[in-house]
Amino acid sequence: AQSVTQPDIHITVSEGASLELRCNYSYGATPYLFWYVQSPGQGLQLLLKYFSGDTLVQGIKGFEAEFKRSQSSFNLRKPSVHWSDAAEYFCAVGERSSASKIIFGSGTRLSIRP
Amino acid sequence: GAGVSQSPSNKVTEKGKDVELRCDPISGHTALYWYRQSLGQGLEFLIYFQGNSAPDKSGLPSDRFSAERTGGSVSTLTIQRTQQEDSAVYLCASSLVSGRGGAGVQYFGAGTRLSVL
Repeated sequence: AQSVTQPDIHITVSEGASLELRCNYSYGATPYLFWYVQSPGQGLQLLLKYFSGDTLVQGIKGFEAEFKRSQSSFNLRKPSVHWSDAAEYFCAVGERSSASKIIFGSGTRLSIRP
Repeated sequence: GAGVSQSPSNKVTEKGKDVELRCDPISGHTALYWYRQSLGQGLEFLIYFQGNSAPDKSGLPSDRFSAERTGGSVSTLTIQRTQQEDSAVYLCASSLVSGRGGAGVQYFGAGTRLSVL
């Protein structure tokens, strides 16, 4: 069965600094990969997704993620964070099967230092 | 509606009572998911409906939890004999199956915050 690991529970970065949130997955083939963001008291919003093609995926709010098959990773990056980026970030993986479900990682809480 | 709608937004109940949580998915979305998010925790998968297939109930934590989806649209999550540990935010999401088969992008509702006293 597929699984997702987000090894960092909580990260604090300074405003304007670069950001990388780690995500590793376990799956026998190429999965569908997603990053979602959850602001305090809100539902989840899709940041970006990888289905196929270019392994560097651009998303909303200036985020990008790179699928690295050899490392089973799909890390999220942003070159310069803003205070409004403080939120919980979830990586998710889905199978290439019509009967599949999506599995979420445990999340990484991002705090921004002024 | 334009998005996934969940009701009620907040529910306070007494231990031992039954509760029903409702989810209206985006029209035309064939897949529907229920998740539980406890305070400060990630998303715990509960149940997944896809079209006319048998639901994937592998995430339901006990037989007190059940869900149904009527007419391939609205879903109700029922928790019987609620316990304090059931207190959490219950999130619903819907999606289309992607064009190549497999999980599509999920659109989430705002959730129902359940408090069991």
